[in-house]
Amino acid sequence: EPEVTQTPSHQVTQMGQEVILRCVPISNHLYFYWYRQILGQKVEFLVSFYNNEISEKSEIFDDQFSVERPDGSNFTLKIRSTKLEDSAMYFCASSEASIGYTFGSGTRLTVV
Amino acid sequence: AQSVTQPDIHITVSEGASLELRCNYSYGATPYLFWYVQSPGQGLQLLLKYFSGDTLVQGIKGFEAEFKRSQSSFNLRKPSVHWSDAAEYFCAVGNRFSGGYNKLIFGAGTRLAVHP
Repeated sequence: EPEVTQTPSHQVTQMGQEVILRCVPISNHLYFYWYRQILGQKVEFLVSFYNNEISEKSEIFDDQFSVERPDGSNFTLKIRSTKLEDSAMYFCASSEASIGYTFGSGTRLTVV
Repeated sequence: AQSVTQPDIHITVSEGASLELRCNYSYGATPYLFWYVQSPGQGLQLLLKYFSGDTLVQGIKGFEAEFKRSQSSFNLRKPSVHWSDAAEYFCAVGNRFSGGYNKLIFGAGTRLAVHP
């Protein structure tokens, strides 16, 4: 069964550093998403991406966040200057328009 | 605004007992509805989804869910729980925007514990 692949599985970074979380969506999917789950809390929508542009972003997705599809297969989430409160599990997902999501296994980001 | 409520934060059942996890949603039109399961430290696995048609949906691992429009509910059920079902369960509602994408709103989750 096709999978969404996320790397790394765990990343530790110092506060103020930039991090890039990487995702390889399913190859024939057109819509890409990032979600975040702070430990013990619900999963929250960050951003959706289609046709090389953001379709929608949440209030969480402020100027320190950006997404990119640099080479037609990868989909990345960049956090420019990490804060302690950015520590969370970040999930990438992809979908076709009318079919449910497939989520990746997540990247646990720890900001110290 | 769309929202999903899972009234039960924790549920404990005995192995072999039946299970029902509740989910209520608030949404203006017919939503897409999903149940996901998450084991500790793991990703989200889709159990089942409802888009349209038959309101009783069968999923993986012996789970089923029933969409009740009149009650705005999408409760998850399993007739006989196994110890390996212990996990966190998330209900989610999705809507298809005119742009074609599908944003999910998640409930807060229900943590299921299974006694031997």
